[in-house]
Amino acid sequence: DTAVSQTPKYLVTQMGNDKSIKCEQNLGHDTMYWYKQDSKKFLKIMFSYNNKELIINETVPNRFSPKSPDKAHLNLHINSLELGDSAVYFCASSQEVGGRSYNEQFFGPGTRLTVL
Amino acid sequence: QQQVKQSPQSLIVQKGGISIINCAYENTAFDYFPWYQQFPGKGPALLIAIRPDVSEKKEGRFTISFNKSAKQFSLHIMDSQPGDSATYFCAARGAGGFKTIFGAGTRLFVKA
Repeated sequence: DTAVSQTPKYLVTQMGNDKSIKCEQNLGHDTMYWYKQDSKKFLKIMFSYNNKELIINETVPNRFSPKSPDKAHLNLHINSLELGDSAVYFCASSQEVGGRSYNEQFFGPGTRLTVL
Repeated sequence: QQQVKQSPQSLIVQKGGISIINCAYENTAFDYFPWYQQFPGKGPALLIAIRPDVSEKKEGRFTISFNKSAKQFSLHIMDSQPGDSATYFCAARGAGGFKTIFGAGTRLFVKA
């Protein structure tokens, strides 16, 4: 009964390919996120969806496109993969209550993407 | 103004010692300051968090000290254990923003 799950755990692909990462949460949360963690462990938010609506879209290349088919799922599709896309991608979720800030985020186990 | 600055980058502590990680922020609109712990190959997990209306919060061996006027907060791990070896991230968030800003992380290694 994993709270936030991601597939695949590892993804190795060639430059120029298109790939997708899937995320599912069974916590009943209304907000989901994608983070990128680089080789120096720096965590940077990429996207956030609240009730299936995109609310955060950081300065991420257009090659990255998130899709939220429902509140429990948030997928990330990446076109024309580049070497610099190699990183660990984390999905997270939270329940945003009344606009307050102190809502715990629950992270998935991560997807390690390696672009050759 | 959106940054959270974290130090040190890495820390080695003897078993039983005290580990101290420091963070500083600029944006006074932040009102929630969580610390996340990440083990190798895992996602970050919430360890302890504080709101700026208190100056200290303690949970077991973990304590957050918060200095609102200096816009600084720190994590103290008492009686550090080898099992505490992980990367620690401080973070900050403002109300209604949906965005958590993370520090750069501190890799802690506790020597047995």
